[in-house]
Amino acid sequence: GAGVSQSPRYKVAKRGQDVALRCDPISGHVSLFWYQQALGQGPEFLTYFQNEAQLDKSGLPSDRFFAERPEGSVSTLKIQRTQQEDSAVYLCASSRRYDTGELFFGEGSRLTVL
Amino acid sequence: GDSVTQMEGPVTLSEEAFLTINCTYTATGYPSLFWYVQYPGEGLQLLLKATKADDKGSNKGFEATYRKETTSFHLEKGSVQVSDSAVYFCALSVLSGGYQKVTFGTGTKLQVIP
Repeated sequence: GAGVSQSPRYKVAKRGQDVALRCDPISGHVSLFWYQQALGQGPEFLTYFQNEAQLDKSGLPSDRFFAERPEGSVSTLKIQRTQQEDSAVYLCASSRRYDTGELFFGEGSRLTVL
Repeated sequence: GDSVTQMEGPVTLSEEAFLTINCTYTATGYPSLFWYVQYPGEGLQLLLKATKADDKGSNKGFEATYRKETTSFHLEKGSVQVSDSAVYFCALSVLSGGYQKVTFGTGTKLQVIP
């Protein structure tokens, strides 16, 4: 596709449920980032992939958060046993190369945990 | 660690007014600097960038100059329009662990009234 695509756009989960958020980056983009954006805040780094390799997962807030990019294209962010504090917009971004900060963002997946 | 501080909003201006949004940074290495913009209902998109000291980034009438001595990258526009209403994010990227890690500020909401 022409841009970064994320799905679902909106997700409501009951506390304790597992959720999976999908990101389709721009074709051929080497780098893929996941960010978490709380209401009224800036994006906070979660994890980074270079092709299929997860080079940095230092921003994942707990072991309930897991991300993968098995074939170096589509990525999935999984949150197990969701908590209310997980409510946020989850942003995916990709870039053409590993050595640039020019990111292309999707519209985000808004997660609400009740 | 690396961080970005930007002025709190919201900023409300009349059309054709002069805009300044302040941004300062702290970085361990030699960062590249960016301004991203998020229009209502859309994903973040790159507005402008500067990669070395004294560089001026510009786009759509917006400008920002990389000032190493004051660690600043203030965003300016001479005459704002209603269509500039959006949230503006200052960001930096630094080579870390084999990739450019991008850190964002908290965002400044701009509202331009006719």
